[in-house]
Amino acid sequence: KQEVTQIPAALSVPEGENLVLNCSFTDSAIYNLQWFRQDPGKGLTSLLLIQSSQREQTSGRLNASLDKSSGRSTLYIAASQPGDSATYLCAVPPFQGGSEKLVFGKGTKLTVNP
Amino acid sequence: EPEVTQTPSHQVTQMGQEVILRCVPISNHLYFYWYRQILGQKVEFLVSFYNNEISEKSEIFDDQFSVERPDGSNFTLKIRSTKLEDSAMYFCASSRVYEQYFGPGTRLTVT
Repeated sequence: KQEVTQIPAALSVPEGENLVLNCSFTDSAIYNLQWFRQDPGKGLTSLLLIQSSQREQTSGRLNASLDKSSGRSTLYIAASQPGDSATYLCAVPPFQGGSEKLVFGKGTKLTVNP
Repeated sequence: EPEVTQTPSHQVTQMGQEVILRCVPISNHLYFYWYRQILGQKVEFLVSFYNNEISEKSEIFDDQFSVERPDGSNFTLKIRSTKLEDSAMYFCASSRVYEQYFGPGTRLTVT
């Protein structure tokens, strides 16, 4: 059964700092991984999707990497801003092919202090 | 930019009552999903829907739940007889292929 773990559970940094959020998953036979942002009481905003054939995906100040063999992904945020404060979730399908559902981690709550 | 919309944003209902949560997925998407998030817990998959039928459902999605795509735009989740433990945020999502796009959610409170 696919399990997703995100470390740390919470992170507080000063504005301008570069930071890394970690995601690990138990079944490495996935075909993609998706990172989301969730603001308090709100829905999930898709940030990046990495296909299993990719090692990295970039969008603006965000860079996500995927290492399937070790069951890990990282989300790198450059030059953090107070507006980046949110909970960041990673999600994977339970196995390669045959299921479209996503299995989520519990998230990392990021606070960027001005 | 197209987005998934959900109504209502907040629904309060009494235990045992039926509720219908509504979603309008992105128009050219083919796969539709419902997830829920109990306060402080992980987002959990409920059901996926493709080609006018359920393609997958979780153990949470028992006989009290049903989904429907009554027309070309709406996608609904019905809970027949709500329980206190159904209180949660319910998210609708849609995808064309792999990347799933989520709506803002409906907060369901069962009293």
